[in-house]
Amino acid sequence: ILNVEQSPQSLHVQEGDSTNFTCSFPSSNFYALHWYRWETAKSPEALFVMTLNGDEKKKGRISATLNTKEGYSYLYIKGSQPEDSATYLCALMGNDYKLSFGAGTTVTVRA
Amino acid sequence: NAGVTQTPKFQVLKTGQSMTLQCAQDMNHEYMSWYRQDPGMGLRLIHYSVGAGITDQGEVPNGYNVSRSTTEDFPLRLLSAAPSQTSVYFCASIIGPMGNGYTFGSGTRLTVV
Repeated sequence: ILNVEQSPQSLHVQEGDSTNFTCSFPSSNFYALHWYRWETAKSPEALFVMTLNGDEKKKGRISATLNTKEGYSYLYIKGSQPEDSATYLCALMGNDYKLSFGAGTTVTVRA
Repeated sequence: NAGVTQTPKFQVLKTGQSMTLQCAQDMNHEYMSWYRQDPGMGLRLIHYSVGAGITDQGEVPNGYNVSRSTTEDFPLRLLSAAPSQTSVYFCASIIGPMGNGYTFGSGTRLTVV
């Protein structure tokens, strides 16, 4: 089981502001890094899967980067909207294909 | 496609009872996993499978059994329910290691009294 740390645990952002948060991991020995969005009373939904150092992915106003050499991934939300309020989960797929999740960053967007 | 279907959505068990949580997917995904979600703990892997006939343990496998006789189905069996197994259970699947993320079921909220 891979150790995945996410910070901060929670954050509040004003509507229209941009924000970012971190997923960190101690080793570059993994198969892929996943990001998921988890809205209250729903199931997690996949945002991005990244495998290579320097990978950048974008979906609408949300983007992510991966730095395997220094052991972190950032997720960015540009121009936050109330519908962006959710818990964002980072997960690592190890070389044994097990997916280990971090505890998540809960984002609350204030109107 | 129905995606990942979990049943039941809610269940109350008495301590010592056994039951099976059902999970089925119609996307021809090879990999399937079971997670439990507890407050402050995030999602923890119980068991997973990389194909029919192949299963392996995750982080918290004790008290649970799985089997994968077909690509579509991955049931989770609670052998003798304990209050510590009160949790929300999620089944998830992905086509393979290069897939675009896991697809999750809607979850089963289990209470053991």
